[in-house]
Order: sequence, then C-alpha cells, then structure tokens
Amino acid sequence: EAGVAQSPRYKIIEKRQSVAFWCNPISGHATLYWYQQILGQGPKLLIQFQNNGVVDDSQLPKDRFSAERLKGVDSTLKIQPAKLEDSAVYLCASSSRPRGAETQYFGPGTRLLVL
Amino acid sequence: DAKTTQPTSMDCAEGRAANLPCNHSTISGNEYVYWYRQIHSQGPQYIIHGLKNNETNEMASLIITEDRKSSTLILPHATLRDTAVYYCIVRVASTASSNDYKLSFGAGTTVTVRA
Repeated sequence: EAGVAQSPRYKIIEKRQSVAFWCNPISGHATLYWYQQILGQGPKLLIQFQNNGVVDDSQLPKDRFSAERLKGVDSTLKIQPAKLEDSAVYLCASSSRPRGAETQYFGPGTRLLVL
Repeated sequence: DAKTTQPTSMDCAEGRAANLPCNHSTISGNEYVYWYRQIHSQGPQYIIHGLKNNETNEMASLIITEDRKSSTLILPHATLRDTAVYYCIVRVASTASSNDYKLSFGAGTTVTVRA
C-alpha cells in the first residue's frame, strides 16, 4: 500500500511570497489532516477534512492560510503572503476510518524556510 | 491543548527494554491514549493505542493504569533505530459537537538508544 505523498519536500521563499503544498492521501482514506510542526515542537493541527468538507479549521490562520480538498482526494495548502514565523515542516496525514476514529498515517512533510 | 505530560528526554541501552511514562490525569472515560513516534526528518509513525486494557503489538506494549490517569509504553528490546521523539496523545473530539476526532500533540519524549 502506497503511503501519503507530499510535494515538494523542501521550499525556500522570501517573506510576503506565496507558496502551495500538495498532498495525496492513501487511497480510500476519507479523512485528511494538515499539520504545522515548528522546530522543537510537536505537530499542530491546522485543518481536518472529511471527504471534501472541513471538519475543523479552528487553528488555521485564515488571513493567510487556505486549504482545499477537491473531489475528496488530493489536497493543497496555501500560504499567502508568507511570514518568517511560517518556517516549519508541513505534514499531511490521512485516516482510513470515517471521522478520524482510526490510525493516522503521515507523509514525509514539506520543509518550508521563509527568509 | 495537549492533555498529557511526558519527560523531556531519556536514554536507553541497546537491547534493553525502554519504559516511557505518560501522565494524562484529566482523561475522560471515552478518550483513547495513542502513541506515535517521529524519527528525525520523517513524519510521525503510529505505534499503538488503547482505552482501558493493556495492549501489545509487534512494535510495543501499552500499559494503562486502572484509574487511566497514566500509561507506559514499553519497547521490549530497544535498537538504535528506535531513537526518536515519542508522543503520548489523548485523542479528543474535533469540535464540541462532532463525532470527528483529532490528535493533539505535545512536545514528546526524545529517546536516545545508545550502543
């Protein structure tokens, strides 16, 4: 079974630029999550999708971050404009059981550096 | 809003059992305890989870106290490849009224296995 795919693996941008990350979950997984992991901290949930609907985006800075999951499969996370404090690893995860009541499988992450 | 407390770091000798403690004194009756680990530069990896009873799988054992206020993850024969950050997580509802769930990561325990 293929794992969660993410791209790009690394991205360097200057502040005020925009950036987008892509995630392809494990086939058939209805629940998808985006996390932000700042160096030295645990992952922080940004947004949770159930199919193509948003379940929880309470921690998403909506003035600059946006995410979508068209057709309930792939997902993109966008930052516009980026700030220095957005430097982090962005992790995507998916879950097989509905409503996230099962194990989450994580991708390798995208490491973002904002200069 | 992590609901767990773990030691910041611990060392373990290769080939010996590693016992990782976790306190979750405010856990509710229907909340599960999950353990994940994150090897350097990788996404978190699921290890095991439990509700009340002790659990064992091919990776580890989970011992949950009778009052459910604490648990211990046991790696029976630690190897150098077990060096990672280990997260003890209480799975909580995504929103107050939802049947969706999310994981709230803390800082975890950095485990170093030494030869």
